[in-house]
Amino acid sequence: GENVEQHPSTLSVQEGDSAVIKCTYSDSASNYFPWYKQELGKRPQLIIDIRSNVGEKKDQRIAVTLNKTAKHFSLHITETQPEDSAVYFCAGPDDRGSTLGRLYFGRGTQLTVWP
Amino acid sequence: DSGVTQTPKHLITATGQRVTLRCSPRSGDLSVYWYQQSLDQGLQFLIQYYNGEERAKGNILERFSAQQFPDLHSELNLSSLELGDSALYFCASSVGGEETQYFGPGTRLLVL
Repeated sequence: GENVEQHPSTLSVQEGDSAVIKCTYSDSASNYFPWYKQELGKRPQLIIDIRSNVGEKKDQRIAVTLNKTAKHFSLHITETQPEDSAVYFCAGPDDRGSTLGRLYFGRGTQLTVWP
Repeated sequence: DSGVTQTPKHLITATGQRVTLRCSPRSGDLSVYWYQQSLDQGLQFLIQYYNGEERAKGNILERFSAQQFPDLHSELNLSSLELGDSALYFCASSVGGEETQYFGPGTRLLVL
């Protein structure tokens, strides 16, 4: 529910390397986990999401994995490019288990990809 | 373009003043959320409305209030403004609650 922890807070990688950001949550009833990318001064934009009925989802260079037993989900970016540099936020749903609940956002990870 | 609109884009005002930020959700979305984002900070959830009713409250100050109107647009009222209220204020909308939230472009508030 309320405790969505995100690590690391900053991440620097060389262009072409992979980047992994991990989030943990506390409520076992959570079943929707989106990831947002926010470029400087712009709005957060959804890049990928996953529901609890699957363990992994891919979209080109981006993938998200979910481990419900360990209560964590991760964002994987492969073949990173400088334009991937941004702040990434994970989110988890309300612990009330209601479809009307809010999302709880992690504190964000500043990803920097060096050319 | 997410389909969520916010006005104004920028707002400069003085301490002690009151301002109103406006948000129009995507067509068909019933939930509206307000967030505050200060420099180098994450997204601080303020409040959620669903179909006109307050649904959840976060770290919203008593000087701040919000409402959602019958046409589903929402307004965030900030009063007795302080320097520390300077931030980017985002509105987001979703179909219900536990669904993808689409963010508006934000209103950048500067309190001098």
